[in-house]
Amino acid sequence: KNQVEQSPQSLIILEGKNCTLQCNYTVSPFSNLRWYKQDTGRGPVSLTIMTFSENTKSNGRYTATLDADTKQSSLHITASQLSDSASYICVVSPWDSGYSTLTFGKGTMLLVSP
Amino acid sequence: GAGVSQSPRYKVAKRGQDVALRCDPISGHVSLFWYQQALGQGPEFLTYFQNEAQLDKSGLPSDRFFAERPEGSVSTLKIQRTQQEDSAVYLCASSSDGGAGFETQYFGPGTRLLVL
Repeated sequence: KNQVEQSPQSLIILEGKNCTLQCNYTVSPFSNLRWYKQDTGRGPVSLTIMTFSENTKSNGRYTATLDADTKQSSLHITASQLSDSASYICVVSPWDSGYSTLTFGKGTMLLVSP
Repeated sequence: GAGVSQSPRYKVAKRGQDVALRCDPISGHVSLFWYQQALGQGPEFLTYFQNEAQLDKSGLPSDRFFAERPEGSVSTLKIQRTQQEDSAVYLCASSSDGGAGFETQYFGPGTRLLVL
C-alpha cells in the first residue's frame, strides 16, 4: 500500500519563528505532491502542488521542496503567524491514475503560540 | 457557487439508521471526490466521479456505502445501516480537470457523522 509519512506529529512554535515540516513517501511512480493546510473543523486548502520534476514551490510565506530521488518533501513556514495554527497535510498522487487519487499523510499539527 | 458546500454539517445517527450526505461542488467542476477522515487521521479516498460517471469506487469500505451524481453536479453519499465505525468526517472535493489530476482540489467543510 502506498504510504505517506509525516513528521513531527505535532509542533509548537513561537509567533514569528520559522519551522519546517517533513514528508516521506513510498508512492512510486508518482505524479505530483501537494501540501494542504487544514484548519480545525474545515476542509483542507491547497498550499502548493509540485510535479516530480520540480524541486521547490513557494506560496507567500510557505515554501515546499521536493527530492524525488530520496522521496522526501518539506514545507517551510517563514515568520509564523497565529493564523498558521492548523494541520498541514502532505498528499501524493500516484502516476498510474488517469485522474487524481490522492494518498494523504496523517498531517502535522502546528500550534503557533503568542 | 463560491465554494464547495456540504450538508448537513453535523449528523448524529443511531446505529442501524440510514444517512444521506450532500455535496454541492463548485459550478462547472467536472471531477468530484468523496473522502472519509477519521479523528486525527488524514482523509482517505472513497470514490471519484467525472461528471455523472462514477469512475472509481474502490475506496468505499463496504456495500453499505453508495454514492451518486445523477446530473453531474450535486452528489449524495448514502450510508445504509450505519455502524459506530462509520463515525468520521466525510469530505467532498471538486476540481475543474477530468484527466491527470494536476488541478487543485477544492474541499468542502465536511459533514461530521457520529453514530451512537
